[in-house]
Amino acid sequence: AQSVAQPEDQVNVAEGNPLTVKCTYSVSGNPYLFWYVQYPNRGLQFLLKYITGDNLVKGSYGFEAEFNKSQTSFHLKKPSALVSDSALYFCAVRAESTDSWGKLQFGAGTQVVVTP
Amino acid sequence: SQTIHQWPATLVQPVGSPLSLECTVEGTSNPNLYWYRQAAGRGLQLLFYSIGIDQISSEVPQNLSASRPQDRQFILSSKKLLLSDSGFYLCAWSVLWQGATALHSPLHFGNGTRLTVT
Repeated sequence: AQSVAQPEDQVNVAEGNPLTVKCTYSVSGNPYLFWYVQYPNRGLQFLLKYITGDNLVKGSYGFEAEFNKSQTSFHLKKPSALVSDSALYFCAVRAESTDSWGKLQFGAGTQVVVTP
Repeated sequence: SQTIHQWPATLVQPVGSPLSLECTVEGTSNPNLYWYRQAAGRGLQLLFYSIGIDQISSEVPQNLSASRPQDRQFILSSKKLLLSDSGFYLCAWSVLWQGATALHSPLHFGNGTRLTVT
């Protein structure tokens, strides 16, 4: 079985400060990891993914994520947060050994609030 | 490029009335299609997924059903809505599951339908 944990319901950060949203996962086999962002009353937007290779993955809107296999983590980061980054962020995992249709398991989401 | 359309954007329906939400995908063939429900603006619950026409699986028992009459059309229905059916419904597509090449394929979501059952 695969699972994803986002330990923080909400992250508060001042504009211009670094932003980190935490994610840990549990899968059998190699993980395929994704981050999504959701603005109010909108669908989820894909930010970035980790497949294999470099542990630091760069994505859209200046976001990046660091894969750490020993800690089974895939934390989302942004060096300097903007007020417009305020949104709900989801981490998701798909296991290499998943069933025949590739179900994506989502975390519960982390609300990011960036204050001016 | 691929696009996904969902409609309507918002819907208010009385308890006991029927429901039909529609989702269409353009620019790709043989996609996997999904219906999710998001309650209280947070967690996502997978309701249905489909790997082909008339090939639909349900993840949870509920008052809803899904159909896929065409390759790129996915419909969520109910004969009689319950109050508990209120929520934000999201349709998504991904590359057809064909082994390793699809492992890194993300889901692409529509803009959702806000359903309020009164």
